[in-house]
Amino acid sequence: EPEVTQTPSHQVTQMGQEVILRCVPISNHLYFYWYRQILGQKVEFLVSFYNNEISEKSEIFDDQFSVERPDGSNFTLKIRSTKLEDSAMYFCASSEATGLNENTIYFGEGSWLTVV
Amino acid sequence: KNEVEQSPQNLTAQEGEFITINCSYSVGISALHWLQQHPGGGIVSLFMLSSGKKKHGRLIATINIQEKHSSLHITASHPRDSAVYICAVPNSGGSNYKLTFGKGTLLTVNP
Repeated sequence: EPEVTQTPSHQVTQMGQEVILRCVPISNHLYFYWYRQILGQKVEFLVSFYNNEISEKSEIFDDQFSVERPDGSNFTLKIRSTKLEDSAMYFCASSEATGLNENTIYFGEGSWLTVV
Repeated sequence: KNEVEQSPQNLTAQEGEFITINCSYSVGISALHWLQQHPGGGIVSLFMLSSGKKKHGRLIATINIQEKHSSLHITASHPRDSAVYICAVPNSGGSNYKLTFGKGTLLTVNP
């Protein structure tokens, strides 16, 4: 079974510090996503990425967030100056396509970010 | 923005029972997702459906596009089915994976 892997599984950081969350999507997938879930709340969409650029982003994904595919395998989410309210589980996901006939989205196990 | 409502919020069942979880949304969509979130937090996609019904093992998902409603059924429930089940729909104008999520239904199946 193919899988999306995320590191770290848990990170504690000081407010104001930069954080990079890493993801290795499934190798033949072309579309990459970040979602987040604040404890006790709904999962929220952050951003989608295709062909080395952001294809969609939510209102949450402001200037302090950025995504990058630095090489052929990793997909990263950077938070430049973390705030307490950034504490959440961040999920990476990937899909082969986005069409109606495809049910190919796979999620990673998540990275817990705690900002203190 | 699409609004997603799930019911019930919590559901406790005995092993073997037939389970139904409901999802309603406010804006017409191209497809709807059912996801399972494990107690440890990981998320698994169960179904993406745009019409009718899909079946995978003991799981069945149905959707009524006109009524903006979907149901997830679990037949012969088992304790390993205990998880949070989440309905998600695309934001209007977005791709199928720019999703608005429901709050989830916490299912507990007792042996």
